[in-house]
Amino acid sequence: AIQVTQSPSSLSASVGDRVTITCRASQGIRNALGWYQQKPGEAPKLLIYAASSLQSGVPSRFSGSGSGTDFTLTISSLQPGDFATYYCLQDFNYPWTFGQGTRVDIK
Amino acid sequence: QLQLQESGPGPVKPSETLSLTCIVSGGSVSSVSHYWGWIRQSPGTGLEWIGSIYFGGTTYYNPSLKSRVSISMDTSKNHFSLRLTSVTGADTAVYFCVRYFYGSGIPDWGPGTLVTVSS
Repeated sequence: AIQVTQSPSSLSASVGDRVTITCRASQGIRNALGWYQQKPGEAPKLLIYAASSLQSGVPSRFSGSGSGTDFTLTISSLQPGDFATYYCLQDFNYPWTFGQGTRVDIK
Repeated sequence: QLQLQESGPGPVKPSETLSLTCIVSGGSVSSVSHYWGWIRQSPGTGLEWIGSIYFGGTTYYNPSLKSRVSISMDTSKNHFSLRLTSVTGADTAVYFCVRYFYGSGIPDWGPGTLVTVSS
């Protein structure tokens, strides 16, 4: 199975900060990676698919980049509702695999 | 508006079979455009893809569970189901049912249901 390594595992940031989270796949996955936001007690929410495509209804401060093995999620200006845990998911081939998650909390 | 809702009988004892159903409303499991799947989340192992099914019955399973898992769909009832046999405490998790179009991420999730394996 393809391994996905996500970093950092947690970070503290302030409203208005630019935040970057990375995922590295153990082999090339083209652009087959998505990013999800999860808040406590809720299901994950799709933010970005195919590495850089913004899901409908998701604010434009979220963006994704990368291809092959290295991918990045950027939040350009952190808002109060963005404090959550973020996961990447490779959907290049089965079994799909998730990153370990990045918890973003208030500094 | 698609809605997915997991349902199941509650706690499961070790060595027994975990059975969950995902009730679909606002969409059809007969869709040739979508896949239907199960994902679980536990504190110890994070998010784990369990498997998926496509109209016509084609299934894909996580090899880590493959000998114990089966997913099926009932088009007459518009739902799909998960069975996981010989459960242990490691199978305690929140189980989510999902719908996706291949290559476009997973936009549709049920709220999740906690399944506890305990004697």
